Amino acid sequence: QVQLQESGPGLVKPSETLSLTCAVSGYSISSGYYWGWIRQPPGKGLEWIGSIYHSGSTYYNPSLKSRVTISVDTSKNQFSLKLSSVTAADTAVYYCARERWLQPPAGGAFDIWGQGTMVTVSS
Amino acid sequence: DIQMTQSPSSLSASVGDRVTITCQASQDISNYLNWYQQKPGKAPKLLIYDASNLETGVPSRFSGSGSGTDFTFTISSLQPEDIATYYCQQYDNLQYTFGQGTKLEIK
Repeated sequence: QVQLQESGPGLVKPSETLSLTCAVSGYSISSGYYWGWIRQPPGKGLEWIGSIYHSGSTYYNPSLKSRVTISVDTSKNQFSLKLSSVTAADTAVYYCARERWLQPPAGGAFDIWGQGTMVTVSS
Repeated sequence: DIQMTQSPSSLSASVGDRVTITCQASQDISNYLNWYQQKPGKAPKLLIYDASNLETGVPSRFSGSGSGTDFTFTISSLQPEDIATYYCQQYDNLQYTFGQGTKLEIK
């Protein structure tokens, strides 16, 4: 079955760039679907960060757009997140997820999720 | 930005009870509304998509309804394993926002 696994540093210093990778198994990213990143600060709700298609087409949360880059590497069957100029407010569990488009061009739902990875921003 | 207002923020109910959670959008989103269940320490799980469609494998005691700005999520008979936080999520114009969540506890 399709599985997603996040990886990356668990601790990032303020003002630096947070970098995470999501490895996809059981499905070829090149075959379709969109792929997204969602985060959840400790004890708080969910916030969508952005999504990408295998072609490289992206769309981002406007509140984070200036700091976010999502990319895809189809040869490694993975996609990545970079968030620049981080502060303590970026401390969160970061999830990657498969995005199933439901009613184009409106968007869709996240139907398969990784287990999440905790990233703390601290000096 | 479309804001999602979910209520209540917490809810205590007994096993067997009918439980209802509401989600209101700040503007008309047709039926572009999904519901998720998140258990402690776990990733969210998609339960309902397009306001009323049950995701494959999800028990039929879960249901959703609504369109436009007002949506409802219902558990017809609460089970102990349903203890979790539930989130609505809208999708419109490739911008996604979640409700603040409803924490469901057993009375």
